[in-house]
Amino acid sequence: AQSVTQLDSQVPVFEEAPVELRCNYSSSVSVYLFWYVQYPNQGLQLLLKYLSGSTLVKGINGFEAEFNKSQTSFHLRKPSVHISDTAEYFCAVLYNNNDMRFGAGTRLTVKP
Amino acid sequence: DADVTQTPRNRITKTGKRIMLECSQTKGHDRMYWYRQDPGLGLRLIYYSFDVKDINKGEISDGYSVSRQAQAKFSLSLESAIPNQTALYFCATSEPGTPLDGYTFGSGTRLTVV
Repeated sequence: AQSVTQLDSQVPVFEEAPVELRCNYSSSVSVYLFWYVQYPNQGLQLLLKYLSGSTLVKGINGFEAEFNKSQTSFHLRKPSVHISDTAEYFCAVLYNNNDMRFGAGTRLTVKP
Repeated sequence: DADVTQTPRNRITKTGKRIMLECSQTKGHDRMYWYRQDPGLGLRLIYYSFDVKDINKGEISDGYSVSRQAQAKFSLSLESAIPNQTALYFCATSEPGTPLDGYTFGSGTRLTVV
């Protein structure tokens, strides 16, 4: 079965420190990859996506992610986080053009 | 106005009661979805609809039913609510065909069954 694994359920980090949120997925021939952010009491918002081309993709709010096909990973990074980045982050993989699977989420807490 | 609107935002109901969660969208998307979110489990698909006449079960459809009243409206019903249906419920939409823009989500309905 297709699955998406977010390796850390919680990531605490100090303000202005770098952060990496890890995501691995079960291999498939055709995948498209997404990261979503969920702020408290809100729905999920698209942060960035990988469809094809350059394996390093940039999204909103200074986030970027790197697609690694051999490692079946799509890790999210930010070089310097802000308090306002505190949220839950979801990795999602679209399999076979119409089967979207979500990871369990990583709660990022940025401390002053 | 939000692209995807869910009502109510919060609801407390008693075990055994019937409850309906509503979703409407202004995106003009054909595809609509219902998910539930539980801590540590992420989002799990309950039902999805690719157009008004096409409704499909997701991975956790037991205990739920849906109605697609129009292209813009997709309702989720719990015929007889039970406590383990306490969760955050999200409606989402996507463009026809392969959703390369991802999904557009509503703000969620927090349901508590007591």
